Amino acid sequence: AQSVTQLGSHVSVSEGALVLLRCNYSSSVPPYLFWYVQYPNQGLQLLLKYTTGATLVKGINGFEAEFKKSETSFHLTKPSAHMSDAAEYFCAVSPQGGKLIFGQGTELSVKP
Amino acid sequence: DGGITQSPKYLFRKEGQNVTLSCEQNLNHDAMYWYRQDPGQGLRLIYYSQIVNDFQKGDIAEGYSVSREKKESFPLTVTSAQKNPTAFYLCASSIAGTGYPDGYTFGSGTRLTVV
Repeated sequence: AQSVTQLGSHVSVSEGALVLLRCNYSSSVPPYLFWYVQYPNQGLQLLLKYTTGATLVKGINGFEAEFKKSETSFHLTKPSAHMSDAAEYFCAVSPQGGKLIFGQGTELSVKP
Repeated sequence: DGGITQSPKYLFRKEGQNVTLSCEQNLNHDAMYWYRQDPGQGLRLIYYSQIVNDFQKGDIAEGYSVSREKKESFPLTVTSAQKNPTAFYLCASSIAGTGYPDGYTFGSGTRLTVV
């Protein structure tokens, strides 16, 4: 069965520091990959996605992610954290032809 | 602009009552989904529908019911059989077919509290 693992349910960084949120998936074929962000009491908003082509994808708010097939990973990064980045982040995969499978989420805290 | 509208944003239910959460989309999406979100438990799929007049149970369907009479609407009823209904409920929609290259579009959620 397909699965998504987000390493670390809570990540804390200082403002201006690098943000790295980890996501690994299990899939026999490269799936579609997504990162979503959720602010308190709101729905999920798409940050970025990988379907085909360039493995480094850029999203909104300065985030980017790199699809590494050999490592079955799709880690989310941002060079410099801002206080407004504090939120919960979900990685999701869509095995081609299948519904999205979500990770458990990572809560990002940003310290001033 | 196209999107998904969930209402109400906050809902209070007394013990033993059924309540219905509304979800409407104008994205012309075929598929719609209901998720439940509890702290630290991620998203859990309740029901989904890929076409009008058809829907399937997700992982935690017990105590919930849905209908899909119109493409745009997918209401969720939380019945009195749901023993712990206090949670944040999210509705989503997507195109249906081979693969989901656009992912899902989510509504802003309904927070249900039992009083």
